[in-house]
Amino acid sequence: QLQLQESGPGLMKPSETLSLTCTVSGGSITNGFYYWGWIRQPPGKGLEWIGNIDYSGHTYYNPSLKSRVTISVDTSKNHFSLNLVSVTAADTAIYYCSKTRGYSVSDFFASWGQGTLVTVSS
Amino acid sequence: DIQMTQSPSSVSASVGDRVTITCRASQVLDTSWLAWYQQTPGKAPKLLIYATSKLESGVPSRFSGSGSGTGFTLAISSLQPEDVATYYCQQANTHPVTFGGGTKVEMK
Repeated sequence: QLQLQESGPGLMKPSETLSLTCTVSGGSITNGFYYWGWIRQPPGKGLEWIGNIDYSGHTYYNPSLKSRVTISVDTSKNHFSLNLVSVTAADTAIYYCSKTRGYSVSDFFASWGQGTLVTVSS
Repeated sequence: DIQMTQSPSSVSASVGDRVTITCRASQVLDTSWLAWYQQTPGKAPKLLIYATSKLESGVPSRFSGSGSGTGFTLAISSLQPEDVATYYCQQANTHPVTFGGGTKVEMK
């Protein structure tokens, strides 16, 4: 059974760079045509898509975050990563990694990690 | 971006009641690109329905979806205690994908 697990720092200071990794187990990132994505949820609020990547490295980002976001993939480690630069308190959220249901630039999210809370505070 | 508006923001119902949640899109959507998620407290969202009305594997048949154009509905035919959650719609018709603000379903 496919499992996704986020890892990264829980507490950050403003202006720092957020780096999260999603490790995939129970299946290979290179198996089939899917996108692997990041979605975030500020505490008590709704969901915001950040971006997707496929195993060959093709990326698509939310225009609202595109200037600050980089998503990369390491197929040898079966994981993909999120970098978000110049964080502020507005970036405080639970960050989820996910796998899309199909292989569309815009798609649904069929598998999710448990999420990791990132708090930005001075 | 396509805005997704859900109503109501919360609903309280009894076991066995029928519950319906509405999602309105700011633009017409292809029915292939509308989904519903269930998020129980402290957990990640779970895909319930995709392509407006198709149940994801393992989802109980008391859940159903319908709609077209800009109006879509999620229905729970007979509310169960385990259905207490927040429900989100999502459009994948147009980049970037966007989610509704959520509807919290509570038990009376």
